[in-house]
Amino acid sequence: NAGVMQNPRHLVRRRGQEARLRCSPMKGHSHVYWYRQLPEEGLKFMVYLQKENIIDESGMPKERFSAEFPKEGPSILRIQQVVRGDSAAYFCASSPPLEGSPTGSPYEQYFGPGTRLTVT
Amino acid sequence: SQKIEQNSEALNIQEGKTATLTCNYTNYSPAYLQWYRQDPGRGPVFLLLIRENEKEKRKERLKVTFDTTLKQSLFHITASQPADSATYLCALDISGGYNKLIFGAGTRLAVHP
Repeated sequence: NAGVMQNPRHLVRRRGQEARLRCSPMKGHSHVYWYRQLPEEGLKFMVYLQKENIIDESGMPKERFSAEFPKEGPSILRIQQVVRGDSAAYFCASSPPLEGSPTGSPYEQYFGPGTRLTVT
Repeated sequence: SQKIEQNSEALNIQEGKTATLTCNYTNYSPAYLQWYRQDPGRGPVFLLLIRENEKEKRKERLKVTFDTTLKQSLFHITASQPADSATYLCALDISGGYNKLIFGAGTRLAVHP
């Protein structure tokens, strides 16, 4: 069972360009979370999605940032007109349906390796 | 607003000793608390979850305690090994059920041979 996959692993964009980060959850997982991590800081929640629905986007900046989790394909975090302050590691996590999981612990999140975005 | 505090200074211990990491939180009463491990350049890895009605949870050399009165969790690694060196993150669900987590900044543990 493949883990959570994210691509690209590293992304360099110039100011003003668009960044598209992709996340494929673990098989059977219907919940996707996006986090941002700045150097020496903790993970900051951005958005929580289920298939075709945004459940909670309270941690996402209202401008330039958007996220989707279509019926088919990976979840996408999109950052338009990037600025230097967007440089960070972006992690995606998935979890099984909250009614239970094979491990018996319904709430753990499985993280991908992250995408490191550098804005020059 | 909710706040989670972990020791910001790195914890250095000798191999074989017990490492104890602290997580304190304010302004919330979480139903459960989680601990993750993060290695440099990688995503966090889930370690343990403890519910509000559990005082203690163990998994191999790991032990977590949860004191809802003190609003504190302690994370212990017994018989520590250099391979345990990593940053350990504490996380709380602030959504009341759909697993929206807030994370502490983490404590870096270094186990020396």
